[in-house]
Amino acid sequence: QVQLQQWGAGLLKPSETLSLTCGVYGGSFSGYYWSWIRQPPGKGLEWIGEINHSGGTNYNPSLKSRVTISVDTSKKQFSLILTSVTAADTALYYCARRRVTSTSGGCFDPWGQGTLVTVSS
Amino acid sequence: DIVMTQSPDSLAVSLGERATINCKSSQSLLYSSNNKNYLGWYQQKPGQPPKLLISWASTRESGVLDRFSGSGSGTDFTLTISSLQAEDVAVYYCQQYYTTPPAFGQGTKVEIK
Repeated sequence: QVQLQQWGAGLLKPSETLSLTCGVYGGSFSGYYWSWIRQPPGKGLEWIGEINHSGGTNYNPSLKSRVTISVDTSKKQFSLILTSVTAADTALYYCARRRVTSTSGGCFDPWGQGTLVTVSS
Repeated sequence: DIVMTQSPDSLAVSLGERATINCKSSQSLLYSSNNKNYLGWYQQKPGQPPKLLISWASTRESGVLDRFSGSGSGTDFTLTISSLQAEDVAVYYCQQYYTTPPAFGQGTKVEIK
């Protein structure tokens, strides 16, 4: 059964760069999209973007100018870079596997444990 | 972008009673070529990541108890918990995957009355 484990810095200052990595254990890396989703404290879920094993990416237009998602297939890992963070980027960040349908991406399952990233001066 | 709106924002239901959560999308999630609705439901318990309960609007995931059911088509969907148990206390989210970016509803908090 596939498990996702994520890690990265949890406390940043405004204007710094957020960097998180997610490792995939126990399952296939190809045939899925690998996504990042965030959840501000007490709020709902926002999709950030995704990458497939070939390096093809899709990003949320609202964050696209600041986001880069990359993949290392040899390690079965994918990473999130978010530049120029502000307090509005404070959130619980999740990695997740996204299914692929015949027409588009699908549901997210499973999810990583989450990493709380706080942006504060 | 498709906007997902859930109602109510919260509800309190007695143990053993039915809980009903609604989800409305700003455009149809029904793909005509395969007659499938691109809608999923998730459960998020405190301190945990979301867990996928239902995909394709009504298909329960493996291991999900049959008291959870999904229905609806087009723009209007419902998640029903037929007999609420204490362990069902959580926030429930719908999510569309008809187009990119995928989008979630704002969540519905289910509590025990």
